[in-house]
Amino acid sequence: EVQLLESGGGLVQPGGSLRLSCAASRFTFSTYPMSWVRQAPGKGLEWVSSISGSGDIAYYADPVKGRFTLSRDNSKNRLYLQMNSLRAEDTAIYYCATTWDLHRFDYWGQGTLVTVSS
Amino acid sequence: DIQMTQSPSSLSASVGDRVTITCQASQDINNYLHWYQQKPGKAPKLLIHDASNLEPGVPSRFSGSGSGTDFTFTISNLQPEDIATYYCQQSDNLLTFGGGTKVEIK
Repeated sequence: EVQLLESGGGLVQPGGSLRLSCAASRFTFSTYPMSWVRQAPGKGLEWVSSISGSGDIAYYADPVKGRFTLSRDNSKNRLYLQMNSLRAEDTAIYYCATTWDLHRFDYWGQGTLVTVSS
Repeated sequence: DIQMTQSPSSLSASVGDRVTITCQASQDINNYLHWYQQKPGKAPKLLIHDASNLEPGVPSRFSGSGSGTDFTFTISNLQPEDIATYYCQQSDNLLTFGGGTKVEIK
């Protein structure tokens, strides 16, 4: 069974930075596109960013473009989301997910909570 | 950007009822439409991919149909364990979710 474990969430002030990490196991990580999806408290799902299996191409949703950077280390089976210039509206649970063919999210982690507040 | 309009936003039905949720895309999405179930406090779960393909292990009372811009998700025989919020998602041009439909038992 695929396992995804997110970490790195927490409380950060507006304008601050945070790096999320997702540890993957029980599948061939280097061949699998990956994504982050977030969910603000009491709200719906919002796609944030996706990256190809090799890590050579990444896509971003407009609200995070230029502030967030998605990367992966296939030697460590880890996915990272560097989040800069954080805003209150970035407050959400951030889920790491495998992304079949960069189309659908077939396995999900349990999420890590990011709170942006002064 | 492709917008996904999901309706209704919530519904209440009895055990055994047939439940239908619709999802409309702002442009043709070539059947790149997927459905998820999210139970309270849990991560979402993929139920159906590419409009009508059931994921392994998902009960056959769940089904999906549609093409182009208009899609439908159906639970044919609502069970108590189906209480959840359901989301559609397109992947024809980047990735976008619908607003979600909260399903409750009457």
